[in-house]
Amino acid sequence: DTEVTQTPKHLVMGMTNKKSLKCEQHMGHRAMYWYKQKAKKPPELMFVYSYEKLSINESVPSRFSPECPNSSLLNLHLHALQPEDSALYLCASSPNPGDTQYFGPGTRLTVL
Amino acid sequence: QQPVQSPQAVILREGEDAVINCSSSKALYSVHWYRQKHGEAPVFLMILLKGGEQKGHEKISASFNEKKQQSSLYLTASQLSYSGTYFCGTEEAGTYKYIFGTGTRLKVLA
Repeated sequence: DTEVTQTPKHLVMGMTNKKSLKCEQHMGHRAMYWYKQKAKKPPELMFVYSYEKLSINESVPSRFSPECPNSSLLNLHLHALQPEDSALYLCASSPNPGDTQYFGPGTRLTVL
Repeated sequence: QQPVQSPQAVILREGEDAVINCSSSKALYSVHWYRQKHGEAPVFLMILLKGGEQKGHEKISASFNEKKQQSSLYLTASQLSYSGTYFCGTEEAGTYKYIFGTGTRLKVLA
């Protein structure tokens, strides 16, 4: 298995909803990442989880919270999002931090 | 500080060549290059490590000048499939913080 999978592919939610995005890889990679990408902009790193340690981009609001149940799975919990949070959310993994990253297909999120 | 790419956009005819530059104000340990097609995830092209190495992948090659903190991606004899947005990416040393460059939109016309 040489791919990163993400579910769901599309998600529409209201500002009061709670939802979760799921990312999975079975390549034995030790680093996983969440990115947010707005149209015509580069991906922006939100979180890195490597060696059982979470690194956070300080500019990410607390309404986004990552969870790593095991080394193959990385979830992103969403709560009380704003319309400006609508974006493509990309998950990636790499053998080790700093190595080549392999991206999942992304989740297109729309917040109404 | 986000690496700056130039040009911002370029249009080519099939068979023409292009160069995309990536410049950083911070010391770089490595540079990665990705291509992203519209509505899809970025796809890894190549990685260059410190040492000024140059790498090639079919008709796409890249160089890394660590003294100038610059990397360049060379596309030769472009094909329609080369269309997309190209990003350089790098990690801030010792932080696990990965940053993508500003991006270059490339369109190849028949």
